[in-house]
Amino acid sequence: AQSVAQPEDQVNVAEGNPLTVKCTYSVSGNPYLFWYVQYPNRGLQFLLKYITGDNLVKGSYGFEAEFNKSQTSFHLKKPSALVSDSALYFCAVSNRAGTASKLTFGTGTRLQVTL
Amino acid sequence: EAQVTQNPRYLITVTGKKLTVTCSQNMNHEYMSWYRQDPGLGLRQIYYSMNVEVTDKGDVPEGYKVSRKEKRNFPLILESPSPNQTSLYFCASSHKTGTPVRGTGELFFGEGSRLTVL
Repeated sequence: AQSVAQPEDQVNVAEGNPLTVKCTYSVSGNPYLFWYVQYPNRGLQFLLKYITGDNLVKGSYGFEAEFNKSQTSFHLKKPSALVSDSALYFCAVSNRAGTASKLTFGTGTRLQVTL
Repeated sequence: EAQVTQNPRYLITVTGKKLTVTCSQNMNHEYMSWYRQDPGLGLRQIYYSMNVEVTDKGDVPEGYKVSRKEKRNFPLILESPSPNQTSLYFCASSHKTGTPVRGTGELFFGEGSRLTVL
């Protein structure tokens, strides 16, 4: 069975500082990896994905994520955090050999950016 | 505007009273899915549909039913709601070629429906 772990329930960072939201995964075969963001009282929005190729993936709002196969990780990063980045972030994984519908989400990490 | 629309956004009901949460998308997506979001558990898939008249169970289907009679609509039915179904529910859709594994991988989510069962 595939799974995603987001070890931090909350990450606190000051505006202007770099941020990292951690994600590790377990899946048989090669992974498809995703990050979604949820703002208060809203649905999830797609941020970025890794399918194949370059290990550093760039996405929306200045976010990027680094795929590390040996560490089975896909950490979300941003060089300079903004207060408006405060939200709930979900990592998700799918198995390209599995059914197209099977996307497993992590439990989410709340990012709090303060002035 | 491309969107996934869920109704109702908020609902308080009582145990055993049948209810339906509607979901409609205007993007001509083949794939639609329902998730529930609970604190500490993240999002868990309830049911999904790859196309009209094609539905299948997700990870937590017990107590729910779905139907896909039209491409744009994917209602979630709780025949006899119980308090453990109190949750935040999300509908999502994507193109079949853009399902989470193939294609763009981008799921479009509705705004959510907060359901309380007393």
